[in-house]
Amino acid sequence: DVKVTQSSRYLVKRTGEKVFLECVQDMDHENMFWYRQDPGLGLRLIYFSYDVKMKEKGDIPEGYSVSREKKERFSLILESASTNQTSMYLCASSLSGGRAYEQYFGPGTRLTVT
Amino acid sequence: GDSVTQMEGPVTLSEEAFLTINCTYTATGYPSLFWYVQYPGEGLQLLLKATKADDKGSNKGFEATYRKETTSFHLEKGSVQVSDSAVYFCALNSGGYQKVTFGTGTKLQVIP
Repeated sequence: DVKVTQSSRYLVKRTGEKVFLECVQDMDHENMFWYRQDPGLGLRLIYFSYDVKMKEKGDIPEGYSVSREKKERFSLILESASTNQTSMYLCASSLSGGRAYEQYFGPGTRLTVT
Repeated sequence: GDSVTQMEGPVTLSEEAFLTINCTYTATGYPSLFWYVQYPGEGLQLLLKATKADDKGSNKGFEATYRKETTSFHLEKGSVQVSDSAVYFCALNSGGYQKVTFGTGTKLQVIP
């Protein structure tokens, strides 16, 4: 079974803090994604990466950055957390090519910024 | 750009009732269409897919047919169970690269 793990299930941070969310997948997938999930808005893509050290902006990249130094690990960074970044963050991975649409998700990190 | 519209929830049904969750889409070209499911406390997982017009995707008793003429991909199940309680997301991929566009999700609650 594909496994996507996220470093924390729940996280509480203060406004202005630098926040790191970590994601690890164990199936040698080329693609990795970060989404945020908010009620009434569904999933919105923040960033994705199709290879080590490669990244592309998604639909809502403002206030976020990412890092992919190893194939299995994709980190989301909030440089200076703000209350409007309180959300559920989901990491996903997928193969390249014809099955790239089949994304495997982690359980999510619920981040609260106070 | 691509978009997916699905019915607002929550949808509450009694066990063994018939389920329909509506989904329509807007996309360039010929997208592939999917339903993902999110059980409580878990991440999303792919439930079924259809990659071309008139294809029917099916899994775990759920079905959806790719209707190009109505740009729809409605999810159906003949007899729901309590264990089907989850949030269901309609999604599409219009090719080019890996991006999947998700709908807002529909929460289903099945009561005994």
